[in-house]
Order: sequence, then structure tokens, then C-alpha cells
Amino acid sequence: NAGVMQNPRHLVRRRGQEARLRCSPMKGHSHVYWYRQLPEEGLKFMVYLQKENIIDESGMPKERFSAEFPKEGPSILRIQQVVRGDSAAYFCASSRESSYNEQFFGPGTRLTVL
Amino acid sequence: AQTVTQSQPEMSVQEAETVTLSCTYDTSESNYYLFWYKQPPSRQMILVIRQEAYKQQNATENRFSVNFQKAAKSFSLKISDSQLGDTAMYFCAFQSGSARQLTFGSGTQLTVLP
Repeated sequence: NAGVMQNPRHLVRRRGQEARLRCSPMKGHSHVYWYRQLPEEGLKFMVYLQKENIIDESGMPKERFSAEFPKEGPSILRIQQVVRGDSAAYFCASSRESSYNEQFFGPGTRLTVL
Repeated sequence: AQTVTQSQPEMSVQEAETVTLSCTYDTSESNYYLFWYKQPPSRQMILVIRQEAYKQQNATENRFSVNFQKAAKSFSLKISDSQLGDTAMYFCAFQSGSARQLTFGSGTQLTVLP
């Protein structure tokens, strides 16, 4: 059973470009969570999604950031017009409906903004 | 809002010795979960151990055990017979019984010395 998959593992963007980060949850998991880890800090919650629904986006910056989890395909975290402060590791986690307190993490995507 | 505090940014321990990592949290809720995650140099987030707040018995997972003091809002991790592979950043995390997202502490970098 494959774990949570994230791609790309490393992404380099220039200021003003768009970044798209993908997350495929574990098989049988219908809940996805995105977290951001700034250098030398712990992970901070961004958004929680179920298929086709955003359940909680209280941790998302108000501008430039969006997330989706379509009926088919991976969850996408999209960052428009990236700035240097967006440089961070972005982690995706997934869980089953019945066991939300068991979140399994992907390997993360390290975004570097030049 | 819940907060998680890890007051030890760095710790070291000799191989085969025992070490305890501290974590305190603040919440007004009575139903919640507490976790310790390990992040080795690969940056993969690995669940080490989990504690349900309603359980009085401290969780144990092989060489890893916790000391959960609910009244004091303390949740320390004890690692026995430390191994070189235990070298990693350790994060304490809180999850409310009514919400899905994890709230992480700032982490403790543990180095196991040969």
C-alpha cells in the first residue's frame, strides 16, 4: 500500500511565477491536509479538504494561495505570484473518514523562490 | 486557540542512554489527542506515538513512552536505549477532539552521540 505521494519533491520558482504542488493521499483516504514548514520552525496547518470540498481553510493566507481536491486526481495547492517568503517545505497528510486522528504524511515539497 | 510549547531547542544523549523531551500545551478542551512526530534529515514526518486524553494509561511503543500529566498539561517523550537512528527533530503535536488539524510545537533537535 503506497504512502502519501507528493510531487515534485523540489520546486524552484522565480518571484511572480506560479507554483503547483500535488498530493495523492493513501488508498482509502478521503481527507487531505496541507501544512507549511518555514525554515527552523514547526509545521503550520493551512487547509483541510475532502473530495470536492474545502472543510477548513483557516490557516491559508488570504491572497495568492488556493487548494482543491477534485473528484478525480490529486489534491493541488496552488500559489500564485510567489514571493521569497513562500520558500518553505509544504507537507500533505491524509486520513480516513473514520480515523481522522491518524494522519499520514507525505515526504513534502521543498519550494525555493529565487 | 491551542498552543504547544517545546522549551528545549536542542538536546543530545549518548548511545544506549535514556533521554526525555518536554512538551506542554494549553487548551480549554477536555477531549483531545497528543502526538510525537519524528523528522529525520530526510524531512519525512514519522508518527512516533499517540495519546488519547481520556486514557489515563501512558502510551508506550517499544523504546518510546510518554508521561502524560493531564492536569499539568504536560506530555513528555522518553526514549530508552537511544540509537544513532533516533537522531532527528522531534515535534509534539495537539489535535482537538472537535477539529482535524494538528497544532505543532517548534521542535527539539535530538542528537544521539556514539
